Amino acid sequence: GAGVSQSPSNKVTEKGKDVELRCDPISGHTALYWYRQSLGQGLEFLIYFQGNSAPDKSGLPSDRFSAERTGGSVSTLTIQRTQQEDSAVYLCASSPPGGNQPQHFGDGTRLSIL
Amino acid sequence: ELKVEQNPLFLSMQEGKNYTIYCNYSTTSDRLYWYRQDPGKSLESLFVLLSNGAVKQEGRLMASLDTKARLSTLHITAAVHDLSATYFCAVDAQGGGTASKLTFGTGTRLQVTL
Repeated sequence: GAGVSQSPSNKVTEKGKDVELRCDPISGHTALYWYRQSLGQGLEFLIYFQGNSAPDKSGLPSDRFSAERTGGSVSTLTIQRTQQEDSAVYLCASSPPGGNQPQHFGDGTRLSIL
Repeated sequence: ELKVEQNPLFLSMQEGKNYTIYCNYSTTSDRLYWYRQDPGKSLESLFVLLSNGAVKQEGRLMASLDTKARLSTLHITAAVHDLSATYFCAVDAQGGGTASKLTFGTGTRLQVTL
């Protein structure tokens, strides 16, 4: 079956521009997560959505970062006024209802800020 | 704040040898995951450990969880080159019946040499 799909796979943009990263979770998965992976910081949690509950935004590094999930499915992570330190691989994951299944990860979006 | 530590950070081992990767975490949790990451690829789920004393095995890899010691181990038996990758442990500290955000360890880069 289809896995977690992320687009674009690579994004290069200039400092100060806004970017949108998209995640399409596995069908039927109610939870959706965003993480980022960088050399200096490892794997960091950003935000997660669980069903119709308010999202847990506790990992967002600044107010330049936001995310939404429409219709309980596709999610968009938006970074405004990008900075060079935003360069990283942004990973999306999803998991089915219940707490006993692993999160399934997409291939990520490699973001490079010039 | 939950902290997850892995050691070693880097492991070079010969084919046929055995070794153990350790994952310590700082707060109570009975939900721990192991993932594998190949260079330039995303995270692949290996094991889900959900209770004290849980042991899971797949091929040459075996994972265990001691919730009282807040320690998980990933044991490699008779390593082969195909096991070369980076291995991450991750902890879900929320508990309960729904999944939550993961806090990842630093990763252990395993290199198996001929």
